[in-house]
Amino acid sequence: GENVEQHPSTLSVQEGDSAVIKCTYSDSASNYFPWYKQELGKRPQLIIDIRSNVGEKKDQRIAVTLNKTAKHFSLHITETQPEDSAVYFCAATTGGGADGLTFGKGTHLIIQP
Amino acid sequence: EAQVTQNPRYLITVTGKKLTVTCSQNMNHEYMSWYRQDPGLGLRQIYYSMNVEVTDKGDVPEGYKVSRKEKRNFPLILESPSPNQTSLYFCASSLQGAVFYEQYFGPGTRLTVT
Repeated sequence: GENVEQHPSTLSVQEGDSAVIKCTYSDSASNYFPWYKQELGKRPQLIIDIRSNVGEKKDQRIAVTLNKTAKHFSLHITETQPEDSAVYFCAATTGGGADGLTFGKGTHLIIQP
Repeated sequence: EAQVTQNPRYLITVTGKKLTVTCSQNMNHEYMSWYRQDPGLGLRQIYYSMNVEVTDKGDVPEGYKVSRKEKRNFPLILESPSPNQTSLYFCASSLQGAVFYEQYFGPGTRLTVT
């Protein structure tokens, strides 16, 4: 089955700086890569996703890049703000028979004032 | 309001006492899924259902059962809970399969098995 590795497990950045979280996946058939944000004590929520036919996608301060050859994808957050502090999960799926998401272990992003 | 609900939100129980965690969605979603979240392990899929009467195992199904008799409900059953099932559980639903459709998560159920 699919295996998703996520790094780093904890990331501390100064407010206003950029943050980058990286994920690698094992199954070359994976074709959908969402990112979920989970604030403390709350449920995960989708913040951005990318499909395998696209190399990059942006939504305001958030962007995701995908390198299918290397089987890795990254989340980029620019001009970080205190409300960006949360745990971020990457995920991957082939959309095949299992049709489920395999999540990375998560990155705790800390925004320092 | 479109939402996924879970009950109970918190549960403390003893080893071997059967329990059910309910999950309900009001968005007419076909796909529903259960995850458990443990520190350092992320979210791991337990079971999923593509539609009514169709369920399948995820990555960590041992010790769990599910049923999908109605489109809106997807209960998680622990026939004989053990301490290693102490975890935070999330139900999720999406319009169709997990591919290309956002999964909406419930508020979570924190289960402690002593």
